[in-house]
Parts: sequence; structure tokens; C-alpha cells
Amino acid sequence: EAGVAQSPRYKIIEKRQSVAFWCNPISGHATLYWYQQILGQGPKLLIQFQNNGVVDDSQLPKDRFSAERLKGVDSTLKIQPAKLEDSAVYLCASSPVQGRSQPQHFGDGTRLSIL
Amino acid sequence: KQEVTQIPAALSVPEGENLVLNCSFTDSAIYNLQWFRQDPGKGLTSLLLIQSSQREQTSGRLNASLDKSSGRSTLYIAASQPGDSATYLCAVRAYSGNTPLVFGKGTRLSVIA
Repeated sequence: EAGVAQSPRYKIIEKRQSVAFWCNPISGHATLYWYQQILGQGPKLLIQFQNNGVVDDSQLPKDRFSAERLKGVDSTLKIQPAKLEDSAVYLCASSPVQGRSQPQHFGDGTRLSIL
Repeated sequence: KQEVTQIPAALSVPEGENLVLNCSFTDSAIYNLQWFRQDPGKGLTSLLLIQSSQREQTSGRLNASLDKSSGRSTLYIAASQPGDSATYLCAVRAYSGNTPLVFGKGTRLSVIA
């Protein structure tokens, strides 16, 4: 079974620029998550999708962050404009169905550095 | 607001030792608790998931316990190996609603050969 795929692995941009990350979940997984992990911290949920609908985006800074999951498969997360405090690893995870007992499978993340 | 604390932040042990990692949470009304492993530059791998009705879960050399009433969980690693070196993260999910996992900051483990 192929795992969660994310790209790019690394991205370096200057503040106020825009950036986009891509995630391809495990085939058949209906639920998709985007997390932000700042160095030395645990991951923090940004947004959760169930198929192509948003379940929870309460911690997404909507003035600069946006995410979509067209057709309920791949997802993109965008930051525009980027700030210095956005430097972090952005992790994508997926699970078979929505449910609190379902394990989440994580990708290797995109490491974003803001100059 | 749920807060998860992991102690110690870092731990270094010689190969072969048994060790315990600690996790505490402020709100005991949890649905389940998970332990994850994170290798440098990698995502998270789920190790053990304990439902709120359970006391412990075991997988190979790993044993996780849960004391919901006191807001504590421990991850026991038997006969540690250099390959166990990684960051171990604890996360809890609240009982009510569709709430996200709340993570601790992790314990960075080094097993010295």
C-alpha cells in the first residue's frame, strides 16, 4: 500500500511571497488532515476534510491560509502572503473514514523556511 | 482547553535498558490516546492507540498504559535498541464532538550502542 505522498519536501521563500503544498492521501481514504509542526512542538491541526467537504478549519489562519480538496482525493494548502512565523513542517495525514478511533497515516511533510 | 505535557523532553540511555516515557493531560474526558514515533525529517508513525475504556496496549517491546482519572499515560520500551532512537509524541482526542488530536511536544530518545 502506497503511503501519503507530499511535495515538495523542502521550500524556501521570502516573506510576503506565496507558496503551495500538495498532498495525495492513501487510496480510498476519505478523511484528510493538514497539520503545522513548528520546530520543537507537536503538530497542530490546521484543517480536516471529509471527502471534499471541510469538517474542521477552526485553527486555520484564514486571512492567509487556504486549502482545497477537489474531487475528494488530492489536496493543496496555500499560504499567501507568508510570514516569518509560518516557518514549520506541514504534514498531511489521511484515515479511512471519519472517526475518532481511526488511526491517521502521515506523510513525510514539507519543510518551509521563510527568509 | 486540553493541554498535553511530555516529560522528559530528552532522554539518553545505553542499549539494552528498559525505559519509560511519560505523558500527562489536563482534561480527563478523553476518547482515546495515541503514541506516535517521529524520525528526523519524517512524518509520524502510530505506535499504539488506547481507547478510554482500556488500561493498556502492547505491541512487541512496547507497552502503553492509561490512567484516565489521573490524566497520565506511560510508554514502556523494553530492551532498548539504537533503532529506537526517535522522538516519541503523545496525543489525546476529546470525548465530545469531532475534536482534533492534541499533541504533546514529544520526548527525544537517544539509545547509545
